[in-house]
Amino acid sequence: DTAVSQTPKYLVTQMGNDKSIKCEQNLGHDTMYWYKQDSKKFLKIMFSYNNKELIINETVPNRFSPKSPDKAHLNLHINSLELGDSAVYFCASTKGARTADTQYFGPGTRLTVL
Amino acid sequence: QKEVEQNSGPLSVPEGAIASLNCTYSDRGSQSFFWYRQYSGKSPELIMSIYSNGDKEDGRFTAQLNKASQYVSLLIRDSQPSDSATYLCAGPGGYNKLIFGAGTRLAVHP
Repeated sequence: DTAVSQTPKYLVTQMGNDKSIKCEQNLGHDTMYWYKQDSKKFLKIMFSYNNKELIINETVPNRFSPKSPDKAHLNLHINSLELGDSAVYFCASTKGARTADTQYFGPGTRLTVL
Repeated sequence: QKEVEQNSGPLSVPEGAIASLNCTYSDRGSQSFFWYRQYSGKSPELIMSIYSNGDKEDGRFTAQLNKASQYVSLLIRDSQPSDSATYLCAGPGGYNKLIFGAGTRLAVHP
């Protein structure tokens, strides 16, 4: 059984388009995250939701908008895609909201903007 | 700004040797640290966590934390080709937030 799943796995699109990535976890966790991993493998947090409430909102362009319809789902919508948005986006979840909680990562979505 | 720094490598070791991966952090008040392993094209997975000064052993892996010197290390004994991956060090970056180092690429050659 997949613990944290993401769709799509690959996303290739043109500059200026709007796209969404979806994430679901079946672990019963309360907290979910979006990370961006660039070509140099640097993994950086973007957003975090705890029980559907936004608790972390890093310095991310407002073209990126997360949405959590329930605590098992966290989606990421990106408007007006730019070349620099090309990266792998990972969703993750933790049981609670402490930094000591183990992060469970999804398989990632590789976004390529042409 | 809290930071976690790692040497990006690659670190190349022969099979059976000890691989030593190091990480330094800027926040003296940080209490907990994590090592994640990431195979090429895959997602990170937790392999070790450490919360107190000293060593913590789990099978072939030993994590070491030295709070006075602000460094964390991961030793992999009897390295295997299957250990070849990028190892990410992570520490607390504030409430509910982990900050990751850039990762060290380890290559274990037969």
